Amino acid sequence: GNSVTQMEGPVTLSEEAFLTINCTYTATGYPSLFWYVQYPGEGLQLLLKATKADDKGSNKGFEATYRKETTSFHLEKGSVQVSDSAVYFCALSERIGGSQGNLIFGKGTKLSVKP
Amino acid sequence: NAGVTQTPKFRILKIGQSMTLQCAQDMNHNYMYWYRQDPGMGLKLIYYSVGAGITDKGEVPNGYNVSRSTTEDFPLRLELAAPSQTSVYFCASSNTVGSYEQYFGPGTRLTVT
Repeated sequence: GNSVTQMEGPVTLSEEAFLTINCTYTATGYPSLFWYVQYPGEGLQLLLKATKADDKGSNKGFEATYRKETTSFHLEKGSVQVSDSAVYFCALSERIGGSQGNLIFGKGTKLSVKP
Repeated sequence: NAGVTQTPKFRILKIGQSMTLQCAQDMNHNYMYWYRQDPGMGLKLIYYSVGAGITDKGEVPNGYNVSRSTTEDFPLRLELAAPSQTSVYFCASSNTVGSYEQYFGPGTRLTVT
């Protein structure tokens, strides 16, 4: 079945460091890919998305490119801030019951950014 | 817009008790979902609904029930609470077109002792 694998955390960085969180997936067909972020004590928020191969999703300085040849969707940010401290989830959509997609999530990567 | 709202935020249940987790959305989304999130794990789908009156099982439905009498509301029922149901529960909704983007509520933290 479909699955998402993302790098284990926690990841600890200093402010202004470069961030990469790796995400690879296994899927049949052509799923949409997402990064969600969960701040402490809150629900998940969509960070960015890509719906087809070679699409680049971007938001708040974060970027990820849908790479079909490597089945990857790595999250990057050039200069992290303390406010980026959160748990990041990679996810893909899959059809269920012939209808719209369920989301398959990775286990999440906790990011802590130190001043 | 309030988006997706969930009540309560926290709850402690004794083994064998029952409760209903409430979820409502004001975005007129047809699709709604219930997930559970266990520590160190991603989210797992419990039940979903593609419209009022239509529900179906997800990956981990045992011990839960749902109903969908209106587009706005999608309550999750625990009939006989067990310690294995200690988790954080998230409700989500999505539109019927596009990239299947889901909008999440703030979650309900449930402890069964």
